[in-house]
Amino acid sequence: QVQLQESGPGLVKPSQTLSLTCTVSGVSISNTDYYWSWIRQPPGKGLEWVGYIFHTGDTYSNPSLKSRVTISLDTSKNHFSLNLTSVTAADTAVYFCARVITWRREADYWGQGTLVTVSS
Amino acid sequence: DIQMTQSPSSLSASVGDRVTISCRASQSVSNYVNWYQQKPGKAPKLLIYTSSNLRSGVPSRFSGSGSGTYFTLTISSLQPEDFATYYCQESHTSYSYTFGQGTKVEIK
Repeated sequence: QVQLQESGPGLVKPSQTLSLTCTVSGVSISNTDYYWSWIRQPPGKGLEWVGYIFHTGDTYSNPSLKSRVTISLDTSKNHFSLNLTSVTAADTAVYFCARVITWRREADYWGQGTLVTVSS
Repeated sequence: DIQMTQSPSSLSASVGDRVTISCRASQSVSNYVNWYQQKPGKAPKLLIYTSSNLRSGVPSRFSGSGSGTYFTLTISSLQPEDFATYYCQESHTSYSYTFGQGTKVEIK
């Protein structure tokens, strides 16, 4: 069965880079039927799309974050990663990774989420 | 950018009630709207995709409709496990993937 699991530091200092990895099992991230996405949720607030990556390595990011976001694939480890640079307290959120079906683009499988706090 | 506006932001209802949540897009998104349910401390779960298609395993009391700029999610008979927050999301273009602000369904 498909499973996604986020991992990474729970605390990042302001101005530094937030780095998270999503390990996928039950499906290959090289599968052409899917995008691989990051979505975040500040405490007590709604969901915000961060970006996603296709098996080709093409990426799409939220315009409000675009210049700070890098998403990459590691097919040998079947995981994908998020780097968010120059973080501030506004980047404090639960970060979810999710699988997105290519032709309809709904997110059908999600990781449990990981809380990242930006604080000195 | 496409904006998705849900209403109401919250509602109180009783078990057995029929509940409808609406979602309006700032421009046409055809039928590319998905609906998710989220319970506290959990990841969202997909309920409905492309406006009206029920995901496998989701109870049939959930239904979706709409096209263009106006969409609805209906729960025909609210059950105790349905108390949660619901989000619409548009997926019309590759460069946009916007969520509504959420609707919290609470027990009356």
